[in-house]
Amino acid sequence: EDKVVQSPLSLVVHEGDTVTLNCSYEVTNFRSLLWYKQEKKAPTFLFMLTSSGIEKKSGRLSSILDKKELSSILNITATQTGDSAIYLCAVGGKGADGLTFGKGTHLIIQP
Amino acid sequence: DAGITQSPRHKVTETGTPVTLRCHQTENHRYMYWYRQDPGHGLRLIHYSYGVKDTDKGEVSDGYSVSRSKTEDFLLTLESATSSQTSVYFCAISGMIPGPNSPLHFGNGTRLTVT
Repeated sequence: EDKVVQSPLSLVVHEGDTVTLNCSYEVTNFRSLLWYKQEKKAPTFLFMLTSSGIEKKSGRLSSILDKKELSSILNITATQTGDSAIYLCAVGGKGADGLTFGKGTHLIIQP
Repeated sequence: DAGITQSPRHKVTETGTPVTLRCHQTENHRYMYWYRQDPGHGLRLIHYSYGVKDTDKGEVSDGYSVSRSKTEDFLLTLESATSSQTSVYFCAISGMIPGPNSPLHFGNGTRLTVT
């Protein structure tokens, strides 16, 4: 059974801080790891990672995959209150049965 | 929102009644998924479809059935709703097996309360 574990489950920081969110996984026939941001409604796609050591970056957000350690991190620098959300990590195998999600990290940015 | 519409957006129903949730997509994507999201559990797969009339069970399929008679519509039915099925239900779609170049895209969810 595929498994995704995220840590921490919740995090409260002040605006301007840098945060690192963690995701570890166990999956048969790993194909990709994805990060999503969820505010009030649907999860929205952030990054997809398939190769170890290659950083994906979008503005203040970046992510990297370590296939040897079966893990990924999501970094957010110079945090803003708009970054407050649940961040979801998911992994995909080779089957059609979608993605396996972690429980998410609930990030709160205080002004 | 990747052309995905879920209906209804909110529903309150009584224990024992049947309930059908609808997911409609305009992307002509082959793969469609139903997830439920609960505090402490994250998103869990209920059922998925890999084509018209082709469906399969996910991790938490007990008490649920699905149908896909057209590419654009994927229905989730609770035959006899129970309080444990109170949840937020998300539909998701993908053009290919979710993976490189084909992330899942989600609808805005249906909040179901079973009293």
